[in-house]
Amino acid sequence: QVQLQESGPGLVKPSQTLSLTCTVSGGSISSGGYYWNWIRQHPGKGLEWIGYIYYSGRTFYNPSLKSRVTISVDTSKNQFSLKLSSVTAADTAVYYCARVGSGGYFFDYWGQGTLVPVSS
Amino acid sequence: EIVLTQSPGTLSLSPGERATLSCRASQSVSNNYLAWYQQKPGQAPRLLMYGVSIRATGIPDRFSGSGSGTDFTLTISRLEPEDFAVYYCQQYVSSLMYTFGQGTKLEIK
Repeated sequence: QVQLQESGPGLVKPSQTLSLTCTVSGGSISSGGYYWNWIRQHPGKGLEWIGYIYYSGRTFYNPSLKSRVTISVDTSKNQFSLKLSSVTAADTAVYYCARVGSGGYFFDYWGQGTLVPVSS
Repeated sequence: EIVLTQSPGTLSLSPGERATLSCRASQSVSNNYLAWYQQKPGQAPRLLMYGVSIRATGIPDRFSGSGSGTDFTLTISRLEPEDFAVYYCQQYVSSLMYTFGQGTKLEIK
Protein backbone atom coordinates (compact mmCIF):
# COMPACT_ATOMS: atom_id res chain seq x y z
CA GLN A 1 0.00 0.00 0.00
CA VAL A 2 1.54 3.27 -1.13
CA GLN A 3 1.52 6.05 1.43
CA LEU A 4 2.50 9.69 1.04
CA GLN A 5 3.28 12.10 3.88
CA GLU A 6 3.85 15.83 3.61
CA SER A 7 6.20 17.65 5.94
CA GLY A 8 7.47 21.18 6.31
CA PRO A 9 7.24 24.41 8.28
CA GLY A 10 3.83 25.23 9.66
CA LEU A 11 4.05 28.96 8.92
CA VAL A 12 5.70 31.03 6.21
CA LYS A 13 6.17 34.80 6.13
CA PRO A 14 5.11 36.88 3.12
CA SER A 15 7.76 37.20 0.39
CA GLN A 16 9.57 34.09 1.66
CA THR A 17 9.78 30.65 0.02
CA LEU A 18 7.40 27.88 1.02
CA SER A 19 9.16 24.51 1.17
CA LEU A 20 7.48 21.14 1.57
CA THR A 21 8.64 17.56 1.25
CA CYS A 22 6.60 14.46 0.45
CA THR A 23 7.93 11.13 1.68
CA VAL A 24 6.71 8.08 -0.18
CA SER A 25 6.49 4.65 1.45
CA GLY A 26 5.24 1.32 0.16
CA GLY A 27 6.62 1.98 -3.29
CA SER A 28 9.72 3.39 -4.95
CA ILE A 29 9.68 6.67 -6.85
CA SER A 30 12.58 5.42 -8.98
CA SER A 31 10.64 2.40 -10.22
CA GLY A 32 9.06 4.70 -12.78
CA GLY A 33 5.64 4.69 -14.36
CA TYR A 34 4.11 7.27 -12.06
CA TYR A 35 4.02 11.05 -11.76
CA TRP A 36 4.45 12.70 -8.38
CA ASN A 37 2.34 15.79 -7.85
CA TRP A 38 1.60 18.74 -5.65
CA ILE A 39 -1.96 20.00 -5.32
CA ARG A 40 -3.31 22.73 -3.07
CA GLN A 41 -6.67 23.69 -1.65
CA HIS A 42 -7.39 27.17 -0.39
CA PRO A 43 -9.50 27.21 2.79
CA GLY A 44 -13.06 26.23 1.95
CA LYS A 45 -12.30 26.15 -1.77
CA GLY A 46 -11.61 23.70 -4.56
CA LEU A 47 -8.46 21.93 -5.70
CA GLU A 48 -5.64 23.47 -7.73
CA TRP A 49 -2.97 21.34 -9.40
CA ILE A 50 0.51 22.84 -8.93
CA GLY A 51 2.78 20.50 -10.87
CA TYR A 52 4.43 17.12 -11.12
CA ILE A 53 7.80 15.46 -11.34
CA TYR A 54 8.82 12.15 -12.84
CA TYR A 55 11.56 10.05 -11.25
CA SER A 56 13.95 11.17 -14.01
CA GLY A 57 13.53 14.76 -12.87
CA ARG A 58 11.25 15.85 -15.69
CA THR A 59 8.76 18.40 -14.46
CA PHE A 60 5.64 20.18 -15.60
CA TYR A 61 3.97 23.06 -13.81
CA ASN A 62 0.64 24.82 -13.82
CA PRO A 63 1.24 27.87 -16.04
CA SER A 64 -0.44 30.11 -13.48
CA LEU A 65 2.25 29.24 -10.90
CA LYS A 66 5.16 28.29 -13.14
CA SER A 67 7.27 31.38 -12.47
CA ARG A 68 7.34 30.67 -8.72
CA VAL A 69 7.35 26.85 -8.52
CA THR A 70 10.18 24.34 -8.37
CA ILE A 71 9.58 20.63 -7.81
CA SER A 72 12.53 18.33 -7.23
CA VAL A 73 13.07 14.67 -6.44
CA ASP A 74 15.49 12.76 -4.23
CA THR A 75 15.19 9.12 -5.21
CA SER A 76 17.73 8.05 -2.57
CA LYS A 77 15.34 9.23 0.14
CA ASN A 78 12.19 8.35 -1.83
CA GLN A 79 11.05 11.95 -1.50
CA PHE A 80 9.99 14.80 -3.70
CA SER A 81 9.77 18.44 -2.76
CA LEU A 82 7.96 21.68 -3.53
CA LYS A 83 9.35 25.20 -3.39
CA LEU A 84 7.02 28.14 -3.96
CA SER A 85 8.75 31.50 -3.93
CA SER A 86 7.57 35.02 -3.11
CA VAL A 87 4.50 33.83 -1.23
CA THR A 88 1.61 36.04 -0.22
CA ALA A 89 -1.48 35.46 1.90
CA ALA A 90 -3.14 34.12 -1.26
CA ASP A 91 -0.84 31.10 -1.05
CA THR A 92 -2.33 30.07 2.29
CA ALA A 93 -3.73 26.62 1.61
CA VAL A 94 -3.66 22.94 2.45
CA TYR A 95 -0.93 21.42 0.31
CA TYR A 96 -1.27 17.80 -0.78
CA CYS A 97 1.17 15.50 -2.46
CA ALA A 98 -0.39 12.88 -4.69
CA ARG A 99 0.53 10.20 -7.19
CA VAL A 100 -0.78 9.99 -10.72
CA GLY A 101 -1.42 6.34 -11.42
CA SER A 102 -0.13 4.27 -14.27
CA GLY A 103 -3.12 5.34 -16.37
CA GLY A 104 -1.51 8.75 -16.44
CA TYR A 105 -4.49 10.95 -15.72
CA PHE A 106 -5.93 10.42 -12.24
CA PHE A 107 -4.65 10.78 -8.69
CA ASP A 108 -4.81 7.41 -6.98
CA TYR A 109 -2.88 8.06 -3.75
CA TRP A 110 -2.85 11.25 -1.69
CA GLY A 111 -1.04 12.47 1.37
CA GLN A 112 -3.13 13.70 4.29
CA GLY A 113 -2.31 17.31 3.46
CA THR A 114 -0.62 20.04 5.45
CA LEU A 115 -1.97 23.52 6.10
CA VAL A 116 0.55 26.24 5.36
CA PRO A 117 -0.50 29.68 6.54
CA VAL A 118 1.31 32.67 5.08
CA SER A 119 1.41 35.38 7.69
CA SER A 120 3.80 37.82 9.26
CA GLU B 1 -7.33 25.27 -20.48
CA ILE B 2 -10.46 23.17 -20.06
CA VAL B 3 -12.82 24.50 -17.37
CA LEU B 4 -15.01 22.02 -15.51
CA THR B 5 -18.31 23.30 -14.12
CA GLN B 6 -20.10 21.16 -11.57
CA SER B 7 -23.76 21.37 -10.69
CA PRO B 8 -25.52 21.78 -8.46
CA GLY B 9 -23.26 23.56 -6.01
CA THR B 10 -25.12 21.94 -3.12
CA LEU B 11 -27.42 18.93 -3.24
CA SER B 12 -29.67 18.19 -0.26
CA LEU B 13 -30.97 14.63 -0.12
CA SER B 14 -31.92 11.97 2.40
CA PRO B 15 -30.29 8.58 2.97
CA GLY B 16 -31.72 6.03 0.58
CA GLU B 17 -32.34 8.58 -2.16
CA ARG B 18 -30.60 8.73 -5.51
CA ALA B 19 -28.00 11.44 -6.14
CA THR B 20 -27.08 12.76 -9.58
CA LEU B 21 -24.07 15.07 -9.85
CA SER B 22 -23.12 16.81 -13.08
CA CYS B 23 -19.76 17.88 -14.48
CA ARG B 24 -19.64 19.89 -17.70
CA ALA B 25 -16.42 20.65 -19.58
CA SER B 26 -15.78 23.75 -21.67
CA GLN B 27 -14.21 21.55 -24.34
CA SER B 28 -14.41 17.86 -25.14
CA VAL B 29 -12.47 15.66 -22.71
CA SER B 30 -10.35 13.36 -24.82
CA ASN B 31 -9.85 9.65 -24.23
CA ASN B 32 -12.38 9.69 -21.37
CA TYR B 33 -9.71 11.17 -19.13
CA LEU B 34 -12.20 12.11 -16.45
CA ALA B 35 -12.18 11.13 -12.78
CA TRP B 36 -14.28 11.75 -9.69
CA TYR B 37 -13.17 12.21 -6.08
CA GLN B 38 -14.92 12.30 -2.72
CA GLN B 39 -13.67 14.57 0.05
CA LYS B 40 -14.83 14.57 3.64
CA PRO B 41 -14.01 17.37 6.11
CA GLY B 42 -10.40 17.34 7.22
CA GLN B 43 -9.47 14.56 4.81
CA ALA B 44 -7.69 14.31 1.50
CA PRO B 45 -9.76 13.61 -1.59
CA ARG B 46 -10.33 9.93 -2.35
CA LEU B 47 -10.43 8.55 -5.87
CA LEU B 48 -13.90 7.19 -6.72
CA MET B 49 -14.02 6.79 -10.48
CA TYR B 50 -11.65 7.08 -13.42
CA GLY B 51 -12.02 6.67 -17.13
CA VAL B 52 -15.52 8.13 -16.63
CA SER B 53 -17.07 4.88 -15.40
CA ILE B 54 -14.42 2.66 -13.81
CA ARG B 55 -14.73 2.36 -10.06
CA ALA B 56 -11.52 2.63 -8.07
CA THR B 57 -10.51 -0.19 -5.77
CA GLY B 58 -12.91 -0.66 -2.89
CA ILE B 59 -15.59 1.71 -4.17
CA PRO B 60 -19.07 0.20 -3.75
CA ASP B 61 -21.23 -0.43 -6.78
CA ARG B 62 -23.84 2.11 -5.73
CA PHE B 63 -21.43 4.61 -7.31
CA SER B 64 -21.52 4.84 -11.10
CA GLY B 65 -20.20 7.25 -13.70
CA SER B 66 -21.35 8.04 -17.19
CA GLY B 67 -21.00 10.55 -20.00
CA SER B 68 -18.75 11.53 -22.85
CA GLY B 69 -17.47 14.56 -24.67
CA THR B 70 -18.36 17.51 -22.45
CA ASP B 71 -21.09 16.13 -20.14
CA PHE B 72 -20.44 13.70 -17.34
CA THR B 73 -22.48 12.39 -14.44
CA LEU B 74 -21.73 10.72 -11.12
CA THR B 75 -24.69 8.78 -9.74
CA ILE B 76 -25.07 7.35 -6.27
CA SER B 77 -27.99 4.95 -6.45
CA ARG B 78 -28.97 4.77 -2.77
CA LEU B 79 -27.32 7.21 -0.45
CA GLU B 80 -25.66 5.89 2.67
CA PRO B 81 -24.85 8.20 5.61
CA GLU B 82 -21.12 8.02 4.77
CA ASP B 83 -21.73 9.35 1.24
CA PHE B 84 -22.43 12.89 2.38
CA ALA B 85 -19.33 14.80 1.36
CA VAL B 86 -17.96 17.07 -1.36
CA TYR B 87 -17.42 15.58 -4.80
CA TYR B 88 -14.98 16.84 -7.42
CA CYS B 89 -14.57 15.93 -11.06
CA GLN B 90 -11.12 16.17 -12.66
CA GLN B 91 -9.83 15.97 -16.20
CA TYR B 92 -6.49 15.69 -17.95
CA VAL B 93 -5.56 17.09 -21.33
CA SER B 94 -2.72 16.43 -23.66
CA SER B 95 -1.07 19.71 -22.74
CA LEU B 96 -0.30 17.95 -19.47
CA MET B 97 -2.68 20.05 -17.41
CA TYR B 98 -4.87 18.65 -14.69
CA THR B 99 -7.95 20.65 -13.71
CA PHE B 100 -10.72 20.13 -11.18
CA GLY B 101 -14.31 21.24 -11.00
CA GLN B 102 -15.32 23.53 -8.16
CA GLY B 103 -17.11 20.73 -6.32
CA THR B 104 -20.63 19.67 -5.37
CA LYS B 105 -21.48 19.46 -1.70
CA LEU B 106 -23.84 16.58 -0.97
CA GLU B 107 -25.58 17.31 2.32
CA ILE B 108 -28.18 15.54 4.42
CA LYS B 109 -31.66 16.94 4.00
